[in-house]
Amino acid sequence: GAVVSQHPSRVICKSGTSVKIECRSLDFQATTMFWYRQFPKQSLMLMATSNEGSKATYEQGVEKDKFLINHASLTLSTLTVTSAHPEDSSFYICSARDPSAASSYNEQFFGPGTRLTVL
Amino acid sequence: KQEVTQIPAALSVPEGENLVLNCSFTDSAIYNLQWFRQDPGKGLTSLLLIQSSQREQTSGRLNASLDKSSGRSTLYIAASQPGDSATYLCAVMGHGNQFYFGTGTSLTVIP
Repeated sequence: GAVVSQHPSRVICKSGTSVKIECRSLDFQATTMFWYRQFPKQSLMLMATSNEGSKATYEQGVEKDKFLINHASLTLSTLTVTSAHPEDSSFYICSARDPSAASSYNEQFFGPGTRLTVL
Repeated sequence: KQEVTQIPAALSVPEGENLVLNCSFTDSAIYNLQWFRQDPGKGLTSLLLIQSSQREQTSGRLNASLDKSSGRSTLYIAASQPGDSATYLCAVMGHGNQFYFGTGTSLTVIP
């Protein structure tokens, strides 16, 4: 199947700093990528839909000015957590769909996740 | 808004037992349903994907069924093994291609 990578896998930062997380589709082009957040012992919650060449669509309750999403190319979406605080500590996972795969049944491929810890 | 619930939240079984995990969703207008496995601190491993027009999918010891009209899916694991211990998540895909995840079932298979 298609491969989605994330970088970094882990990041620890001080409160008030900004952190950028990258999501890449390695062997396919993704016009749409999705960002999810998972708090400890909870399920994944969709944060936003990242659209190549246009603004991201945010889910209700997600602050777009705090979680900046940029989808500058067909293989890269970035999530920047601005002025991070301890409550932003979470597991962030991205996913992407390969629209060219004829038999994908709209299957999405998930990145390995990024563990963010804000001190 | 789509809500996905999984029952039970946690399950502990002896090795070799067959088991069923349940998933229910409130909006039957889904594109597909996917079952994932998540090991502690790790990402997601896709197990089975069922298109909205399909009733079930099988892979090895795993069988997933889908009853879209009633908003239910089950994941059947045959002859459970300690290596099956993980959290199992079901997720339904809406027509915008976004996933709505269930609350998860934490499975422990005791040797």
